[in-house]
Amino acid sequence: AQSVSQHNHHVILSEAASLELGCNYSYGGTVNLFWYVQYPGQHLQLLLKYFSGDPLVKGIKGFEAEFIKSKFSFNLRKPSVQWSDTAEYFCAVMDSSYKLIFGSGTRLLVRP
Amino acid sequence: EPEVTQTPSHQVTQMGQEVILRCVPISNHLYFYWYRQILGQKVEFLVSFYNNEISEKSEIFDDQFSVERPDGSNFTLKIRSTKLEDSAMYFCASILEGNTEAFFGQGTRLTVV
Repeated sequence: AQSVSQHNHHVILSEAASLELGCNYSYGGTVNLFWYVQYPGQHLQLLLKYFSGDPLVKGIKGFEAEFIKSKFSFNLRKPSVQWSDTAEYFCAVMDSSYKLIFGSGTRLLVRP
Repeated sequence: EPEVTQTPSHQVTQMGQEVILRCVPISNHLYFYWYRQILGQKVEFLVSFYNNEISEKSEIFDDQFSVERPDGSNFTLKIRSTKLEDSAMYFCASILEGNTEAFFGQGTRLTVV
C-alpha cells in the first residue's frame, strides 16, 4: 500500500537556521510528489511539487525539495528560516487515481 | 486567482444530527475530493468524485457519508447521523485534470457534541 513517512513530528529552530524536513514514500508507480504548508488556522497551501524533470524543485518562499528516486525521498529544505515559517508541513504523494496520500506532518516552530 | 470555497467555516452539531458541508470547487476543474483532518492527526482521504459519480472512497466513508454535485457548481458532503468521532476539519479539494496540483478550500471545522 502507498504510504508517506515524515520522520520529524516537531522541529524547533531559531531564525536564520537551516531547515531540512524528511519525507519518504512507498509507491510503485510514477510519482508525483508535493509539499503543502498549513499556517495556523489556515488551509493547505502548495509549497512545491515534483512531476518529472529536474529532481531539484524550487517552490514559494525560498523552499526547495530534492527528489531522490533511489532513496524514495523528497526532503524539503530552506537555507534560512524566518519566524513566519512557523507552520505544519505535509509531504504527499499523488496516486494513480489522483488522490493525495499525506504524511503525518511536521510542526515547525521558528523562534525569533 | 480562482479558489475553492467552503461553507460554513465552523459547524457545531449534536450527535445524531445530519450535517451538510458545502464546497464550490474551481469552475473548470474536473476532479473533486473530500479529506478530513482530526485534530493533531494527518490529513486523510475520504472520497473522490469525477464525472458525476464517486470514483473512489476510503474505509472511513461508510454509509453515513454521501456526496453530491447537485447543480454543477456545488459539491457537498453529507453526514447522515453524526458521531463524536466525526469531529474534524473537513477539506474540499479540486484538480483540473489528472496529475496536476490539488487546490484546497479553507476547511470546515465540524464539532460534534
